[in-house]
Amino acid sequence: DVKVTQSSRYLVKRTGEKVFLECVQDMDHENMFWYRQDPGLGLRLIYFSYDVKMKEKGDIPEGYSVSREKKERFSLILESASTNQTSMYLCASSSRGDIQYFGAGTRLSVL
Amino acid sequence: RKEVEQDPGPFNVPEGATVAFNCTYSNSASQSFFWYRQDCRKEPKLLMSVYSSGNEDGRFTAQLNRASQYISLLIRDSKLSDSATYLCVAHSSGSARQLTFGSGTQLTVLP
Repeated sequence: DVKVTQSSRYLVKRTGEKVFLECVQDMDHENMFWYRQDPGLGLRLIYFSYDVKMKEKGDIPEGYSVSREKKERFSLILESASTNQTSMYLCASSSRGDIQYFGAGTRLSVL
Repeated sequence: RKEVEQDPGPFNVPEGATVAFNCTYSNSASQSFFWYRQDCRKEPKLLMSVYSSGNEDGRFTAQLNRASQYISLLIRDSKLSDSATYLCVAHSSGSARQLTFGSGTQLTVLP
């Protein structure tokens, strides 16, 4: 079974803090993705990566950055958290470029 | 216009009923499609893949109409455990971002 692990299920941070969300997959997948999911807006792609050290902006990259130093790990960074970044964050990975497997999600609250 | 559109529902149906969801897509280059299931506060999980005209798996049938650019999901003999949000997803091989998600259709199966 594919396993995508996100480091935290729930996170509470203060406005202005730097936040790291970690994601690890164990299936040697080339592609990894970060989404956020908000009621009524569905899944929105923040960033994705198709190889180590490679990254591409998704639909809503503003306020976020990513890091992929190793194939199995893809990190999402909020340089200075703001209240409008309160959301559910989902990491996913894929090999052949279609079916994506998701982690359990991180519910982030920024106060 | 959203690239993948779904009726958000909610659909409330009695146990044992047959229910169908439709999904339309605007990108004619989309080549394959998926239905994901997402339980409340959990991650999306793959339910079915649709690569040609359709697919059937037990009580679930997905159909693809390329001429009209829509995909449907039919659930027969609904169970209480089918209650979830169903996400329609389109894949375009020429797109580096790979998958486009609909906002989801909420289903509640009532006893």
